[in-house]
Amino acid sequence: EVQLLESGAGLVQPGGSLRLSCAATGLIFSNYAMSWVRQAPGKGLEWVSSISGNGGSTYYADSVKGRFTISRDNFKNTLSLQLNSLRAVDTAIYYCAIGDTVTASSFAYWGQGTLVTVSS
Amino acid sequence: DIQMTQSPSSLSASVGDRVTITCRASQTISSYLNWYQQKSGKAPKLLIHAASSLQSGVPSRFSGSGSGTDFTLTISSLQPEDFATYYCQQSYTTPLTFGPGTKVDIK
Repeated sequence: EVQLLESGAGLVQPGGSLRLSCAATGLIFSNYAMSWVRQAPGKGLEWVSSISGNGGSTYYADSVKGRFTISRDNFKNTLSLQLNSLRAVDTAIYYCAIGDTVTASSFAYWGQGTLVTVSS
Repeated sequence: DIQMTQSPSSLSASVGDRVTITCRASQTISSYLNWYQQKSGKAPKLLIHAASSLQSGVPSRFSGSGSGTDFTLTISSLQPEDFATYYCQQSYTTPLTFGPGTKVDIK
């Protein structure tokens, strides 16, 4: 059974940083692209970033480009998202999700989400 | 960027009703369209991938159709556990984009 477990939730001041992690089990991790999708309180789903299976290609939404960095460790079966220069609008539940590839695929498995709150 | 729209934004329906939700892309996305169900406080769940392929374990009352720019999610006979918000998502190109969602609640 595929399971994704996010961690790293927290309250951070505007301009601060946070690192989110997602531990994956039940699959050959390096075979799959991984993504982060977020959901602001009471709002819809927003794609944030994706990374290819071997980590060689990364993709970002314009809203986070230059501030967030996605990475993965295929030995530890872990996905990470480094969040810098955080803004109030980044407040959201952050989900990690699995797809076969970055595009032409779907998010077949999701973590339970981890809450990031940016507030002074 | 490819914009996704959904209609209606919300609907009220009764158990046993046939429900149809539409999704439109701002440009052609072939069949790279997925549907998700999200219940309150839970992570989204994949229902349909590649426009019309039912995800393993999803009840057959859910079906998807369409290609190009216009897509449909149909629930043939609404069940109590189907009251939720439904999102479409294009995977044709990055940035990956979701529709704004359709909330299905009890009439």
